[in-house]
Order: sequence, then structure tokens, then C-alpha cells
Amino acid sequence: GESVGLHLPTLSVQEGDNSIINCAYSNSASDYFIWYKQESGKGPQFIIDIRSNMDKRQGQRVTVLLNKTVKHLSLQIAATQPGDSAVYFCAENPRSGGGADGLTFGKGTHLIIQP
Amino acid sequence: KAGVTQTPRYLIKTRGQQVTLSCSPISGHRSVSWYQQTPGQGLQFLFEYFSETQRNKGNFPGRFSGRQFSNSRSEMNVSTLELGDSALYLCASSMFTATGLSYEQYFGPGTRLTVT
Repeated sequence: GESVGLHLPTLSVQEGDNSIINCAYSNSASDYFIWYKQESGKGPQFIIDIRSNMDKRQGQRVTVLLNKTVKHLSLQIAATQPGDSAVYFCAENPRSGGGADGLTFGKGTHLIIQP
Repeated sequence: KAGVTQTPRYLIKTRGQQVTLSCSPISGHRSVSWYQQTPGQGLQFLFEYFSETQRNKGNFPGRFSGRQFSNSRSEMNVSTLELGDSALYLCASSMFTATGLSYEQYFGPGTRLTVT
């Protein structure tokens, strides 16, 4: 079936380095993608989103890149801090024009920050 | 502005029982979605309610049901609990923007359900 997946279950980076978390999706009809951060004991927290008519979007210390040709999504975190330790999920909305219904989530990448 | 709240936060039930979980969305949000999160299956969409109507449903058995009230608060119910229903149940709310329903979902902290 069509789903969103992540390449690595765990990513370990040095504090202060940049982190890149990757995600592959298979539904070419998806028009909206989101990255969420989930800390232990909490619900997912919205980080940044991007629509399919864009290939890059920047936020505070985060950048999302979308490559529709190879159906690839990535999240870049600049100057990684201890507070960035969490599990990161990519999600897609496969319903064009739909609203907030039925997000499909990837399995998640656990980002570990080394001091 | 208060975030999405879910009650209870933790729950222990035995097989065969039924359970009701509650979700209060962010004020002004009219769409409420429910997700199940397990280590094996990850985050999976259960259903979504808007203006008291179920608009979308994921691939879960009929034992999983929900409803939404006129104040947008939502409940989900699981009947005849099975061990495999042990999971974190997350609720997310969304709002309308000037151009329509926002895709952006805000999640609550979840209800941790343990079935023994």
C-alpha cells in the first residue's frame, strides 16, 4: 500500500552540527506534507509544513525540502541543540483539496544529540 | 490559548471491557481527528469529525467508534477491548482559515491505554 516512510530509525549527531532527517513517500497525489516532533510522553508537535507547489520552506532553524521527482522529503535542523532530541515524523495528506483528514505518518526517526 | 486536552491521561482496562476517551479541541477548532500510536504500527489514523459528522475513517474495526458534540468536543469508544488495543490514543484539532480548513493539526498529549 501507499505510505510514508523514513530512511533511518535513529540518527545521532553532535551538538551544534546540522541534522538532516529524510523521508520517502509513495503517493504522488499527496499535496501537503508536515514534519512533527514528538518528545517522550507528549503528543506530536507541529514543526513545519510544505505544499506540493513548493520545493523549499524555511522556519526558525528548520528547513524542509521537497523533491517531487523522486518523492523525497527532508528536514534540516541547523545548529542542533539538546532540546532537539525527539522522534521526528513526516506525514502526508493524500487527499487533494481535503483539509485535516487522514494524515499518513512515517515510522519516525529518533534524533539523538551527542554532547 | 489552551491546547488540545485529553482525558484521562492513563487508563488500565481488562480484555472484553469497553472504554471511552475524551478530547477537547483548541477553542475555535471544529475538526477533531483521532490516531492510534503503537511501537509496531506507528501513528495510524482512526477517524475525523467535523461539525458533529464523521467525515473520514481509517482501517480499524467497528469496535472503534467516535462522536463529536456541538461544542466540538469529541469522544472515542472502543468496545470489547483486546490486548492489541494497548496504545497511545492521540487527538488532534484543526481550524478553518480564510481559504478553508487548515491542514495543520495540533495534537493533545494522548491517553495511554493498557489492556490486560
